[in-house]
Amino acid sequence: DAKTTQPPSMDCAEGRAANLPCNHSTISGNEYVYWYRQIHSQGPQYIIHGLKNNETNEMASLIITEDRKSSTLILPHATLRDTAVYYCIVRVAAWAGNMLTFGGGTRLMVKP
Amino acid sequence: DVKVTQSSRYLVKRTGEKVFLECVQDMDHENMFWYRQDPGLGLRLIYFSYDVKMKEKGDIPEGYSVSREKKERFSLILESASTNQTSMYLCASSPKEGFRLSGNTIYFGEGSWLTVV
Repeated sequence: DAKTTQPPSMDCAEGRAANLPCNHSTISGNEYVYWYRQIHSQGPQYIIHGLKNNETNEMASLIITEDRKSSTLILPHATLRDTAVYYCIVRVAAWAGNMLTFGGGTRLMVKP
Repeated sequence: DVKVTQSSRYLVKRTGEKVFLECVQDMDHENMFWYRQDPGLGLRLIYFSYDVKMKEKGDIPEGYSVSREKKERFSLILESASTNQTSMYLCASSPKEGFRLSGNTIYFGEGSWLTVV
């Protein structure tokens, strides 16, 4: 699986959009971009994933650059409950075995 | 919504005890996993199962065993608990690889914090 690079921490004001970047310059054509988050003391929570096109769901939007070497997770109106560590993962979808490695992630702090 | 439920959130066990961690998922997923998460080490796969009664070793299976008698249930067993098994244990599930349109997302439970004293 391709390696990802994320900033270690970010702050965001409550009610504003949080934009979390991820670099994955060695991504392969069959690898998806996944985002998970982990709130302290809880299991990782799936947020969104995409292959080429931008994606949106009830939680967030995912913007993938045309060359697929980077992406941005957008939380449109961050709340205090969005404070968590956010992980960007790149992996092949074909087999959901042990290929789920969480790197350092970005610790997002949403402030009032 | 997918739900992966782990039976115990917090457990304290003594060294040498046999420990059972239970996990149930309600989305008819074929694949189920047990991970442990430790500070600085990230998620490490212990065992996974891709079908009933099937199991495969992950990266760190020593000291653990698993049981998958029913599709929705995957149990992790510590045969003789030791202090180095103090950790947070995460159960997860995902659909089989044929579900390519979904990107084969993995869903996690809330985690079970095990302390072995």
